[in-house]
Amino acid sequence: AQSVSQHNHHVILSEAASLELGCNYSYGGTVNLFWYVQYPGQHLQLLLKYFSGDPLVKGIKGFEAEFIKSKFSFNLRKPSVQWSDTAEYFCAVISGGGADGLTFGKGTHLIIQP
Amino acid sequence: KAGVTQTPRYLIKTRGQQVTLSCSPISGHRSVSWYQQTPGQGLQFLFEYFSETQRNKGNFPGRFSGRQFSNSRSEMNVSTLELGDSALYLCASSLEGLDSETQYFGPGTRLLVL
Repeated sequence: AQSVSQHNHHVILSEAASLELGCNYSYGGTVNLFWYVQYPGQHLQLLLKYFSGDPLVKGIKGFEAEFIKSKFSFNLRKPSVQWSDTAEYFCAVISGGGADGLTFGKGTHLIIQP
Repeated sequence: KAGVTQTPRYLIKTRGQQVTLSCSPISGHRSVSWYQQTPGQGLQFLFEYFSETQRNKGNFPGRFSGRQFSNSRSEMNVSTLELGDSALYLCASSLEGLDSETQYFGPGTRLLVL
């Protein structure tokens, strides 16, 4: 069975700081990787995804993530965060065929202080 | 294009009762997946429906069931409710084809079991 680990459960940053949220997964086969974001009072939204090709993927709102196959990692980055980035961030993986659906990490609660 | 819609948004039930939740996918999406979100267990995959058939299933007891109609709308049913079933139930839809594993989430139904 696949699993996803997000290393930081709570992160507090000041505006303009750089962000990196860690995500590691365990699954030996082909996977597709996602980052979802849940802003306060809103539903889960897709931030970015990786299926194949260039391991550096760009998403909405200036976010990007890098897939490193050898490390089973898919870390989320943003060079300069804004107060509006305050949200819960979830890393998710789905294996080929999707038999287990999306497997999510526990989430990282990000607070940006103005 | 309208997003995934779920009804009702909030529900209060008592132990032993049953509940039915409804989900309407994004227009043109034929796959619908259900997830349970709790503070302790995070987001967990319940099942996926496609063309009125359950295609994949997570590790939940048989009290949790679902179905899909010919218009791709889906319902989820939980029988003999337990206190531990209190959660946010999320529905997600996806488009078949090359991007079939990208799931778009609705706002969820928050169920409280007393």
